Parts: sequence; structure tokens; C-alpha cells
Amino acid sequence: EAGVAQSPRYKIIEKRQSVAFWCNPISGHATLYWYQQILGQGPKLLIQFQNNGVVDDSQLPKDRFSAERLKGVDSTLKIQPAKLEDSAVYLCASSLLAGWVEQYFGPGTRLTVT
Amino acid sequence: AQTVTQSQPEMSVQEAETVTLSCTYDTSESNYYLFWYKQPPSRQMILVIRQEAYKQQNATENRFSVNFQKAAKSFSLKISDSQLGDTAMYFCAFDEGGSEKLVFGKGTKLTVNP
Repeated sequence: EAGVAQSPRYKIIEKRQSVAFWCNPISGHATLYWYQQILGQGPKLLIQFQNNGVVDDSQLPKDRFSAERLKGVDSTLKIQPAKLEDSAVYLCASSLLAGWVEQYFGPGTRLTVT
Repeated sequence: AQTVTQSQPEMSVQEAETVTLSCTYDTSESNYYLFWYKQPPSRQMILVIRQEAYKQQNATENRFSVNFQKAAKSFSLKISDSQLGDTAMYFCAFDEGGSEKLVFGKGTKLTVNP
């Protein structure tokens, strides 16, 4: 079974530029999560999708971050414009269905904002 | 808000020895799940072990076991017969009542020395 795929693995941009990350969850997984992991900290949930609907985006900085999950499969997370403090690893995870506690993580995208 | 505290930023152990990583959490709920995740330099979060709060028996997965003290809100991870491949960041995580919202601690960096 293929795992959660993410791209790109690394991205370097200048502040005020925009960037997008892509995630493909495990086939058949209904729930998808985006986490932000700042250096030296644990991951923090940004947004949770159930199929193509948003379940929780309470910690997503909506003035600059946006996410979508078209057709309930792939997802993209966008930052526009980026700030220095957005430098982090962005992790995508998926789980089989609602109430299924085990989450499977992708390899993450390391974003550096200069 | 739920919090997860890992009081050991770094630990080291000799190969083949045993090491214990500490985790405490704060919640007023009685139904929840606890997890230990491993994050090697490749950045991919890998589930090591999980514990349901309603189960009194401590979870075990091969060389990994937990000491779950519900009253003390403590959830430590014991790694027996440590191997070089165990070198990684270890994160304790909490999921309240199967809400699917993982709250992570700041992590413990474990180094296994040959």
C-alpha cells in the first residue's frame, strides 16, 4: 500500500512570495490533515478535511493560508504572502474514516522563507 | 486546552540498553487516546505505539512498551534493547475522545550510541 505522498520535499522562497504544497493521501482515506511543525516543536494541526469538506480550520491563519481538497482526494495548501515565521515543515496526514484515531503521515515539505 | 509535556529535550542510550522517555498530559476528559510517534531525520512521523485510556493494561509492541498512569496523567515510553535505528525524535501525542485532533508535545531527541 502506497503511503501519503507530498511534494515538493523542499522549498525556498523569499518573504511576500507565494507557495503551494501538494498532498496525496493513502487511497481510500477519507480524512486528511495538514500540520505545521516549526523547528524544535511538535506538529500543530492547521486544517482537517473529511472528504472534501472542512472539519476544523480553527488554527489556520486565514489571512495568508488557504487549503482545498477537490474531489475528496488530493489536497493543496497555499501560503500567500509568506512571512519569515512560516518557515517550517508542513506535514500531511490521512486516516481511514471519521473516528479512526490512527493517522498516517507523509514525509513533509520543508519550507524556508528568506 | 489540552497540553502535552515532554520534559526531556534530549536523551542518549547505549546500544542494547533500555531507555525511558517521559510524557505528561493535562485533560479533564476520561475517554482519550495517547500515542508515541517516532520522527527520524527523514521527517516521516511513524506511529510507535498507542494506548486507549479505558484500557488498564499497558500497550506493548515488540521492544516498545508504555507505562500508563491515568491518575497521574503520565504516559512514558520504554525502549528495550535499543538499536541504532531507534535514533530519532520521539513525540508524545494526545487525542481527546477520538476527536482526531492530535496534540503533540515538543519531542525528545533520542540518540543511540554504538
